Amino acid sequence: GENVEQHPSTLSVQEGDSAVIKCTYSDSASNYFPWYKQELGKRPQLIIDIRSNVGEKKDQRIAVTLNKTAKHFSLHITETQPEDSAVYFCAASDSGGYNKLIFGAGTRLAVHP
Amino acid sequence: GAGVSQSPSNKVTEKGKDVELRCDPISGHTALYWYRQSLGQGLEFLIYFQGNSAPDKSGLPSDRFSAERTGGSVSTLTIQRTQQEDSAVYLCASSGGDSYNEQFFGPGTRLTVL
Repeated sequence: GENVEQHPSTLSVQEGDSAVIKCTYSDSASNYFPWYKQELGKRPQLIIDIRSNVGEKKDQRIAVTLNKTAKHFSLHITETQPEDSAVYFCAASDSGGYNKLIFGAGTRLAVHP
Repeated sequence: GAGVSQSPSNKVTEKGKDVELRCDPISGHTALYWYRQSLGQGLEFLIYFQGNSAPDKSGLPSDRFSAERTGGSVSTLTIQRTQQEDSAVYLCASSGGDSYNEQFFGPGTRLTVL
């Protein structure tokens, strides 16, 4: 089955800086890679996703890149703001399960004013 | 429209007791998932229901854990003979069932086993 590694586990940046979170996956058949944001005490929410036929996707200050050959994908947040502080989870679809996702361990991002 | 709901929001139980956690998915969603999130940890997949297909139980940590989904809607996760290591937040999510669909999460049930 799929295995997803995520790093760093914690990330601290100054407001306005960029933040990058990286994930690797093991199953070359995985074809869907979403990112979820979980604010303290709240439920995870999808912020951006990418499919295997696309190398990069952007949505305002957030972008995701995918390298299928190397089996890794990354989340990029530019011009970080304090409200970006949260735990971010990457995930990869499991080829053995229809629409099943395997999540990384999460990255706790702190944006300091 | 209404999102995914879970009940109870908090559950405190004694070691050895059985507990039932409930999930009401978004109406019309064919896929339903259960995850476990221990304090400060990631989302551990437990079980996945897709329509009328047999559920994917590959993530259940032991035979003390089971889940049902009646009528393709509401799901119940049952933990028998609870242990202290079962303490965690149990999250339910649902999706439309098509490929690449967003999973919508419920607020979770915080289980504490004393």
